[in-house]
Amino acid sequence: DAKTTQPTSMDCAEGRAANLPCNHSTISGNEYVYWYRQIHSQGPQYIIHGLKNNETNEMASLIITEDRKSSTLILPHATLRDTAVYYCIVRVVGSGTYKYIFGTGTRLKVLA
Amino acid sequence: DAGITQSPRYKITETGRQVTLMCHQTWSHSYMFWYRQDLGHGLRLIYYSAAADITDKGEVPDGYVVSRSKTENFPLTLESATRSQTSVYFCASIPGQGGYEQYFGPGTRLTVT
Repeated sequence: DAKTTQPTSMDCAEGRAANLPCNHSTISGNEYVYWYRQIHSQGPQYIIHGLKNNETNEMASLIITEDRKSSTLILPHATLRDTAVYYCIVRVVGSGTYKYIFGTGTRLKVLA
Repeated sequence: DAGITQSPRYKITETGRQVTLMCHQTWSHSYMFWYRQDLGHGLRLIYYSAAADITDKGEVPDGYVVSRSKTENFPLTLESATRSQTSVYFCASIPGQGGYEQYFGPGTRLTVT
């Protein structure tokens, strides 16, 4: 199963773009990259996902390298409410079912 | 309200007791998942289910039992609770093979004394 590697923590100034990197060098061709975040002790919240093309939605942008071995989640204008733990996940497909393997994530602190 | 709910939200039990955590979703999602999250750590998959009567092990299944007789319910049972099972437990679901977003419940905080 493909694993992900993320920095343990990052700081970002309020109003600036937050760029959160993720390494998934063993990803296979049919595996998607997902991003979730967890604010305090709430249940994780879906942010965005992608396969090979860059993706954008109302929350964030996802940039995936051409070799798919790494990706970056971009929060274009970080606010204090974006302070959370961000998880990069590779969607594992096996035996007709789907497993989501969470790593330890990146703790993003947005500073006023 | 529709959604995914967990009960109880908080539970304290003693070592050796059997405990069942409930998860209920109102969307008729095919896939359901149980995770545990220990203090300061990420989520670890315990069990998952692709449909009623279909379950499979995740990363850390030892000491847990699941069942899924109905699509909307996915209970997690600790047959003989141990202190190492003190954790926050999250249930989640996705609609099926075409679903991308995993919806999480609010979590159950379990303390085993």
